[in-house]
Amino acid sequence: LAKTTQPISMDSYEGQEVNITCSHNNIATNDYITWYQQFPSQGPRFIIQGYKTKVTNEVASLFIPADRKSSTLSLPRVSLSDTAVYYCLVGDRGGGFKTIFGAGTRLFVKA
Amino acid sequence: GAGVSQSPSNKVTEKGKDVELRCDPISGHTALYWYRQRLGQGLEFLIYFQGNSAPDKSGLPSDRFSAERTGESVSTLTIQRTQQEDSAVYLCASSLVGSGRSHEQYFGPGTRLTVT
Repeated sequence: LAKTTQPISMDSYEGQEVNITCSHNNIATNDYITWYQQFPSQGPRFIIQGYKTKVTNEVASLFIPADRKSSTLSLPRVSLSDTAVYYCLVGDRGGGFKTIFGAGTRLFVKA
Repeated sequence: GAGVSQSPSNKVTEKGKDVELRCDPISGHTALYWYRQRLGQGLEFLIYFQGNSAPDKSGLPSDRFSAERTGESVSTLTIQRTQQEDSAVYLCASSLVGSGRSHEQYFGPGTRLTVT
């Protein structure tokens, strides 16, 4: 399984765009990149998933360069409620996989 | 529809006792996962069930931990002879597995286990 590396923590202010980058140098051909968000005292929640280039949904965008060795989760105009831990996962979605969440990135949004 | 449910929500037990944690996945979800999350830390994978395949138990930390799943429904995680280091939140998730699907995991609220 590809190991991921992401910053331990980040601070931002309300209204700013936040970009969290995840490194996954050993990503395999079949691997997808998935991001989850976890609020205190709750289980993680799926945000977005992608394989290459760019994926956008109502919550975030995911940018994946051609070599796929990293990915960037972009949160537009964050609010206080976006304060959470964000996890980057890499794995094969073809048949389920042993999921490695890691420590995640703790994002703190300030007023 | 109903999400993933877990019971109990909180469990306090004495060191050395056995505990059983329950997870009810979303109906129709073939995959079920158990994780452990210690305070302030990330999720540790414990075990994964997928349909009728043999479960992936590679994350279970010791032989005191075991889990079962009845078909594609309820799962129980059992911890025998609990130790204080077992204190954590135990999270269960389920997902729909299949070609072209994202395998998005839906998490339950967790069971907070405290071993005294």
